[in-house]
Amino acid sequence: AQSVTQLDSQVPVFEEAPVELRCNYSSSVSVYLFWYVQYPNQGLQLLLKYLSGSTLVKGINGFEAEFNKSQTSFHLRKPSVHISDTAEYFCAVSFSNDYKLSFGAGTTVTVRA
Amino acid sequence: DAGVIQSPRHEVTEMGQEVTLRCKPISGHDYLFWYRQTMMRGLELLIYFNNNVPIDDSGMPEDRFSAKMPNASFSTLKIQPSEPRDSAVYFCASSFPRKNTEAFFGQGTRLTVV
Repeated sequence: AQSVTQLDSQVPVFEEAPVELRCNYSSSVSVYLFWYVQYPNQGLQLLLKYLSGSTLVKGINGFEAEFNKSQTSFHLRKPSVHISDTAEYFCAVSFSNDYKLSFGAGTTVTVRA
Repeated sequence: DAGVIQSPRHEVTEMGQEVTLRCKPISGHDYLFWYRQTMMRGLELLIYFNNNVPIDDSGMPEDRFSAKMPNASFSTLKIQPSEPRDSAVYFCASSFPRKNTEAFFGQGTRLTVV
């Protein structure tokens, strides 16, 4: 069965500092990988996705993620965060023939001035 | 497109009452998902439909929960009778995998059972 592990439950970071959110998955077959962001009292919004091809994926709001097949990881990064990046971030995985998403537990990012 | 529309946004009900949550997916999407979000369990997939047919309902917690999709533009999630432990945010999402592999989420319904 596929599963997703987000290694950090909370990440405090200062404004303009870089941030990395870690995500590992387990699967014996090809997967699609996603990062979603959830702002307070809102639904989930797609940040970026990896389907195939280039392992470095760029998303909205200056975020990027790198797919590493050998390490089964899909870590999310941003070189310089803003106060407005304070939110919860979810890594998700789906199979190519089964379009349901399985989510990690989420990482709460708190950006301080 | 207005996106996935859920109603109501907030629902407060008494234990034992029936609760119905509603979802209108994005037009043209043929997959619809119901998720539940709690602090303790995170985001759980309850059930999903393809072309209005339930494909996997293994995440539905108990027989008190039921979901229907009578047509391509409407789905309901019903809890009868409701219990305090059902308090959570319920999300509906839809997708059209042949175009976009990601799911698009509604704003959610925050359910409080007292």
